[in-house]
Amino acid sequence: DSGVTQTPKHLITATGQRVTLRCSPRSGDLSVYWYQQSLDQGLQFLIQYYNGEERAKGNILERFSAQQFPDLHSELNLSSLELGDSALYFCASSVRGTSGGRSYNEQFFGPGTRLTVL
Amino acid sequence: TQLLEQSPQFLSIQEGENLTVYCNSSSVFSSLQWYRQEPGEGPVLLVTVVTGGEVKKLKRLTFQFGDARKDSSLHITAAQPGDTGLYLCAGASNDYKLSFGAGTTVTVRA
Repeated sequence: DSGVTQTPKHLITATGQRVTLRCSPRSGDLSVYWYQQSLDQGLQFLIQYYNGEERAKGNILERFSAQQFPDLHSELNLSSLELGDSALYFCASSVRGTSGGRSYNEQFFGPGTRLTVL
Repeated sequence: TQLLEQSPQFLSIQEGENLTVYCNSSSVFSSLQWYRQEPGEGPVLLVTVVTGGEVKKLKRLTFQFGDARKDSSLHITAAQPGDTGLYLCAGASNDYKLSFGAGTTVTVRA
């Protein structure tokens, strides 16, 4: 158990609909990252929030948006869903470490939400 | 195009054999992480390597970071069926996001 929680575990919806995925980071972690994993694309970084503010954007479609709330949980909103949006969606939170004078982040992943668009 | 190339894509071996998975890139990373993922579950962090040339051991798993911090390898000694899974490497070019390889699917037959 990584300490990162995601709900729901499974989501089945129709094309054109909108869904919201929820993530709670590990206690004390301020960063939340969202990833999409599909069979043909692998794990793709979508977006990162740090303490409520957007920090970095990856391959996130305009139909997708995210936010992080004051209690640090985050929501990923997917709208105008298409068949190709069917995938596993993961969130991760991170902790900073140092080694040999170099700093790094370690990311811990939640169990994911499997989205199926019919 | 993946920033990180993993090889081989698939690996099927008998219990007790050794295996090596490679992760290569033309980019320099500040750190590199290895994860194992079971079907339908989230990736589980195995190790983080930070310093060029660094070697880390985790029981039967040995991880090496290349001197130039562009590549890494994962070696498993005397593989067991419990080692079966998708192994992913991920390079950090900054503090904020990881670039993942496509993964190596390892199957250890009893």
